[in-house]
Amino acid sequence: DVKVTQSSRYLVKRTGEKVFLECVQDMDHENMFWYRQDPGLGLRLIYFSYDVKMKEKGDIPEGYSVSREKKERFSLILESASTNQTSMYLCASSPSWGGATDTQYFGPGTRLTVL
Amino acid sequence: TQLLEQSPQFLSIQEGENLTVYCNSSSVFSSLQWYRQEPGEGPVLLVTVVTGGEVKKLKRLTFQFGDARKDSSLHITAAQPGDTGLYLCAGAPGNQFYFGTGTSLTVIP
Repeated sequence: DVKVTQSSRYLVKRTGEKVFLECVQDMDHENMFWYRQDPGLGLRLIYFSYDVKMKEKGDIPEGYSVSREKKERFSLILESASTNQTSMYLCASSPSWGGATDTQYFGPGTRLTVL
Repeated sequence: TQLLEQSPQFLSIQEGENLTVYCNSSSVFSSLQWYRQEPGEGPVLLVTVVTGGEVKKLKRLTFQFGDARKDSSLHITAAQPGDTGLYLCAGAPGNQFYFGTGTSLTVIP
């Protein structure tokens, strides 16, 4: 079974702190994604990566950056956390870019609260 | 404005009832997917529909892709408490993946 793990299930940070969210997948997938999930808005794509050291902006990249130094690991960084970044963050991976026929495998999510 | 709008946003029904969830867009999609997310977990793929007018069945769940490939529906027959969860449609009109706004379903025993 594909497994996508996220470093924390719950995280509480203060405004202005630098926050790292880590995601690891164990199936040698090419693509990795970071989404945030808010009620009534579904999942919104922050960044995705189709290869090591490659990244592409999604719909809402402002206030975030990412790092992919190894194929299995994709990190989301909040340079200076703000209260409007309080949300559920979901990481996903997929084998290759097949568009909407490609299955995305998700981690359990990190619920981040910024005070 | 979301690319994929789902309706209803919330649905609470009694066990044994039927229901339909809708996913609509003004864009054309080459295919659409449906995911289900249970509390505390990430979404899990249920089905992918790729041809306009296609109907796929997964036990009591029936998925349909609109003829114009702009919309999709999910019909559940005789809902069970285990069907409770957030249902998300998703698609990629170009090179970026989009998820719908979600329908939260609660099936009451």
